[in-house]
Amino acid sequence: DVKVTQSSRYLVKRTGEKVFLECVQDMDHENMFWYRQDPGLGLRLIYFSYDVKMKEKGDIPEGYSVSREKKERFSLILESASTNQTSMYLCASSSDRVREYFGPGTRLTVL
Amino acid sequence: GEDVEQSLFLSVREGDSSVINCTYTDSSSTYLYWYKQEPGAGLQLLTYIFSNMDMKQDQRLTVLLNKKDKHLSLRIADTQTGDSAIYFCAERESGTYKYIFGTGTRLKVLA
Repeated sequence: DVKVTQSSRYLVKRTGEKVFLECVQDMDHENMFWYRQDPGLGLRLIYFSYDVKMKEKGDIPEGYSVSREKKERFSLILESASTNQTSMYLCASSSDRVREYFGPGTRLTVL
Repeated sequence: GEDVEQSLFLSVREGDSSVINCTYTDSSSTYLYWYKQEPGAGLQLLTYIFSNMDMKQDQRLTVLLNKKDKHLSLRIADTQTGDSAIYFCAERESGTYKYIFGTGTRLKVLA
């Protein structure tokens, strides 16, 4: 079974802190994604990566950056966390075929 | 840009059928998906349909696709309390690695 893991289920940070969210997949997938999920807005794509060291902006990249140094790991970075970045963050991976596999999510609260 | 729309809430009685509807805009989408999200968890793929199909059935789940109206529906027969969750419709943007998700429909099953 494909497994996508995220480093934390719950995280509480203060405004202005630098925050790292880590995602690891074990199926050698080329594509990895970071979404945020907010009530009534569904999932919105922040960034995705289709290969090591490659990244593309999604629909809401402002305030975020990403890093993909190894194929299995995709990191989301909040350079200076703000309260409007309080959200559920979901990582996913896929091969070039049909479906995405999701991690369990990280609920981030920025105080 | 492309958009996927769903109603936000649906409430049904245990044993009844549930029908969750979705409209999408990218007529060239190759695959359309239904994901389920249980409380506190990531998204789990329920089923998907290839765009050249009209219907797909998988046990209690029936997916109907009307390409002319760009309308996708998920029918859950004999709905159980364990079906209470948020259901997301998604399409894969043609020619890209990107998936576009709807806002999600929160299904509440009343005992």
